[in-house]
Amino acid sequence: SQQGEEDPQALSIQEGENATMNCSYKTSINNLQWYRQNSGRGLVHLILIRSNEREKHSGRLRVTLDTSKKSSSLLITASRAADTASYFCAVRGYNKLIFGAGTRLAVHP
Amino acid sequence: DSGVTQTPKHLITATGQRVTLRCSPRSGDLSVYWYQQSLDQGLQFLIQYYNGEERAKGNILERFSAQQFPDLHSELNLSSLELGDSALYFCASSASLGEQFFGPGTRLTVL
Repeated sequence: SQQGEEDPQALSIQEGENATMNCSYKTSINNLQWYRQNSGRGLVHLILIRSNEREKHSGRLRVTLDTSKKSSSLLITASRAADTASYFCAVRGYNKLIFGAGTRLAVHP
Repeated sequence: DSGVTQTPKHLITATGQRVTLRCSPRSGDLSVYWYQQSLDQGLQFLIQYYNGEERAKGNILERFSAQQFPDLHSELNLSSLELGDSALYFCASSASLGEQFFGPGTRLTVL
């Protein structure tokens, strides 16, 4: 399986702190994507990083990709209570986007 | 608002029944994906359609089927429902191999 697997499963931090989530996968990929899901809602795309890219930024988000280690990380800087959600990485292989189990992030005021 | 719509929002039914979930993709997106999200299995890819044709299959049970119509909307049919089929069912659409846009989901409860 080329499923992405996130680590940690759950993360609890204070507002203003940075949150780092990691994702590992097993096979070669076309791209890797991060999504966010508020409880019971649909997933929202955050950022896509292609296999030939090493780092990408979007606002307070920073994503890195290390294809030699088959891993990616998502950093959320200066977290806010509104960042409380589950975060999923998803790896794109042939015609499929396979999601990991997610990291549940709780940001406390 | 992702531009993907799903109906109904909630569905409560009994074991053994059959239900149909409907999805309308974003305007212009040819690909539609169906996912099942349950507490114990996480987000599971079920099936993908592209411009009316099945393109990829995931962990979809034989009791489940889907189709995409000429107007690009899609339906997921779930039959002989079991308690374990209770889950959130998401539809997503995309224009390419990039990001997918998810609908709000249909929460299915099988009693």
